[in-house]
Amino acid sequence: GIQVEQSPPDLILQEGANSTLRCNFSDSVNNLQWFHQNPWGQLINLFYIPSGTKQNGRLSATTVATERYSLLYISSSQTTDSGVYFCAVGVLAGGFKTIFGAGTRLFVKA
Amino acid sequence: KAGVTQTPRYLIKTRGQQVTLSCSPISGHRSVSWYQQTPGQGLQFLFEYFSETQRNKGNFPGRFSGRQFSNSRSEMNVSTLELGDSALYLCASSFRQQGGGEKLFFGSGTQLSVL
Repeated sequence: GIQVEQSPPDLILQEGANSTLRCNFSDSVNNLQWFHQNPWGQLINLFYIPSGTKQNGRLSATTVATERYSLLYISSSQTTDSGVYFCAVGVLAGGFKTIFGAGTRLFVKA
Repeated sequence: KAGVTQTPRYLIKTRGQQVTLSCSPISGHRSVSWYQQTPGQGLQFLFEYFSETQRNKGNFPGRFSGRQFSNSRSEMNVSTLELGDSALYLCASSFRQQGGGEKLFFGSGTQLSVL
């Protein structure tokens, strides 16, 4: 089946720093989404981005579907950005199946 | 609009028992999917329902089952619980995007502990 790899697995930042998280996938996908899981376990949808670039405040994402990767940029990081960031790809197999990467664990220090 | 509601939030069971978890999707969403999250295996897809029909299923044993009702609410059931079933169970509701994909919105999850 399709493989989704995220890097780096762990990241520690000083507040105010910028970072780039990467997601590689092994086959063609229908869509790609980025999620943030907060320390209480809640998964928040950050971007639905099958291709192209989107921005939302300090966050932006770019997916290059033809090269099978996506990037999530976090600028001017804040302590509230801490948590785990997941990339998830959607594949059409009968209905839709969403496959998650292992995540990038981010800790932002004050 | 109210978000995805999962109940209960926490559950403690013993081996061999069965458990039923509930998920109410966002109003208007007809697709519901379920995921298991564990420290060792990460987030794994369980199954997806649309209009009361299971459209897709992940690689889990038959002890894991689900259903969806006509109001789009969904339940999942785990029979004959094992210690390894201890996990956070997440439900997501979704709606179709342009291009055919589904954008997922998650509930807060049910933390199941099997003793």
